[in-house]
Amino acid sequence: GQQLNQSPQSMFIQEGEDVSMNCTSSSIFNTWLWYKQDPGEGPVLLIALYKAGELTSNGRLTAQFGITRKDSFLNISASIPSDVGIYFCAGLYGGATNKLIFGTGTLLAVQP
Amino acid sequence: SAVISQKPSRDICQRGTSLTIQCQVDSQVTMMFWYRQQPGQSLTLIATANQGSEATYESGFVIDKFPISRPNLTFSTLTVSNMSPEDSSIYLCSAGGQYTEAFFGQGTRLTVV
Repeated sequence: GQQLNQSPQSMFIQEGEDVSMNCTSSSIFNTWLWYKQDPGEGPVLLIALYKAGELTSNGRLTAQFGITRKDSFLNISASIPSDVGIYFCAGLYGGATNKLIFGTGTLLAVQP
Repeated sequence: SAVISQKPSRDICQRGTSLTIQCQVDSQVTMMFWYRQQPGQSLTLIATANQGSEATYESGFVIDKFPISRPNLTFSTLTVSNMSPEDSSIYLCSAGGQYTEAFFGQGTRLTVV
């Protein structure tokens, strides 16, 4: 199935560092979503973006909906050990189908 | 946000058998979906579960292999039929509104031996 290009594939950082990851698509989306998945769990929604250019924060997380509607990025500031997990972007077409297309994922490891 | 419960959380099944996974939402939702997540991979949409009508399947997924039911606005089932080791994956249910974000259950980890 279709997937979005997400980078980097993995990141190994020290506690306290800032993190940035992005997602690109050849298609235009109406909504961009960012999820985090811990081992053995389903994805948990972190941030939802609904308008091109929108910049939204959730605590130490900040995400932006690209102007072209074909990309989005997620920043995590001052990382902590519990930030460890896999982060997925997802594009939502909306409309009658309302399908989510997921990115390939970014594995984040944080060393205390 | 909706709370989504899946059963079973995990199972080990013999090849050639079938497993039905249940998904219960704590409130009525417009849209319900089923995803597959193969080991170390991202999520791939299997189908949209339509209330009162046949599910809408994505390319590469067929009703005979993955029959889906959705009898009401809070419940859906996915059956993995005639299983083979290649079906070993995490199967995830999600739910949401027509123009809003989707929330996920904890997933069902299936191992076929």
